[in-house]
Amino acid sequence: RKEVEQDPGPFNVPEGATVAFNCTYSNSASQSFFWYRQDCRKEPKLLMSVYSSGNEDGRFTAQLNRASQYISLLIRDSKLSDSATYLCVVNRGNTGFQKLVFGTGTRLLVSP
Amino acid sequence: SQTIHQWPATLVQPVGSPLSLECTVEGTSNPNLYWYRQAAGRGLQLLFYSVGIGQISSEVPQNLSASRPQDRQFILSSKKLLLSDSGFYLCAWSVPPTGDYGAFFGQGTRLTVV
Repeated sequence: RKEVEQDPGPFNVPEGATVAFNCTYSNSASQSFFWYRQDCRKEPKLLMSVYSSGNEDGRFTAQLNRASQYISLLIRDSKLSDSATYLCVVNRGNTGFQKLVFGTGTRLLVSP
Repeated sequence: SQTIHQWPATLVQPVGSPLSLECTVEGTSNPNLYWYRQAAGRGLQLLFYSVGIGQISSEVPQNLSASRPQDRQFILSSKKLLLSDSGFYLCAWSVPPTGDYGAFFGQGTRLTVV
């Protein structure tokens, strides 16, 4: 079983739609969680951290469920520019050091 | 502000040739440094990480090695490349000590071994 699992997609949605991605992780000792965005043939870029209380950044909302060991990302009012691969990332390092484990990503395609 | 530089952007090397990829970070001190590889259609795999000068930890056995000769410099090397070494190599840094801020990537080197 992979340590971080994501549905590879692609998710094809029209502009303006709401789309949600889920991710599960296997290591219950994981310390922190993130969503990254990766455009084709580019480096991953940090989108947002994920907190147990949930957090929102504009059209993006991230949730963490430690009991069920899953992480979600909700994108509202999708834009064409949201088309990318979204990577779920889990930090299983010790305090003071990050050992980031990446999922293989969920591809999102937003169409006009 | 912090920046990370990685070069070259693309590289085509023959099998059996040596490799040296360099990464430098500016605007921060004593960062944690990482080398990741992303094979075509696959997720990022952590290859090496470093918490300080001369301190290197390897995540997977392979014919690659890493070195950190200076605080903000991280080098990935190989003496003899294999076809399976092809991929997208990414250097990243993060800020100790809390580890809660994610890691930040350089623009990557796309390596093709022929």
